[in-house]
Amino acid sequence: GQQLNQSPQSMFIQEGEDVSMNCTSSSIFNTWLWYKQDPGEGPVLLIALYKAGELTSNGRLTAQFGITRKDSFLNISASIPSDVGIYFCAGQIGDKIIFGKGTRLHILP
Amino acid sequence: DAGVTQSPTHLIKTRGQQVTLRCSPISGHKSVSWYQQVLGQGPQFIFQYYEKEERGRGNFPDRFSARQFPNYSSELNVNALLLGDSALYLCASSLGPTRGTDTQYFGPGTRLTVL
Repeated sequence: GQQLNQSPQSMFIQEGEDVSMNCTSSSIFNTWLWYKQDPGEGPVLLIALYKAGELTSNGRLTAQFGITRKDSFLNISASIPSDVGIYFCAGQIGDKIIFGKGTRLHILP
Repeated sequence: DAGVTQSPTHLIKTRGQQVTLRCSPISGHKSVSWYQQVLGQGPQFIFQYYEKEERGRGNFPDRFSARQFPNYSSELNVNALLLGDSALYLCASSLGPTRGTDTQYFGPGTRLTVL
């Protein structure tokens, strides 16, 4: 079945550092999505990518839809304490969304 | 405007029991999807409903069922609960089939614990 490989599984960084995480798949997706989930809450959509090669920013967040349509990355610049949480990539084709296992971001003071 | 709402927030059941979870979509959204999120994993797709019809189903047993009401709210039912059904159950709403991608917005979830 379709699976997404998200890496890294977890990250420990200093406040102010930049962060990069990525997602790969053996399947092609029409849309790539990046969500953030805080403890006890549902995932919140950060960025949606609809076109191969598309590079989209949302404040300090930047994400790209890979040319092959099988991968995507998310960058966070100048991390701050509220960036702590779990980041999920997701690939969508039609009505179906497949999620990665998440990247847990820890920020050291 | 209110986002996606789910009830209850937490639930404790014992093995063999049945449970009903509820979801109200964002106003104007006609599609509701249900996901199961086991601790440490990403959400897994269970069902999608649009205009009261099932449009998609994930790889879950028949113990899982759902329905959508005329006001577009939805219920997820799970029968004969197993310990492995313990998870966060997420509801996501979206406008429905469009020419482009139908972006889904998630509710806070219902935490189900099966003892």
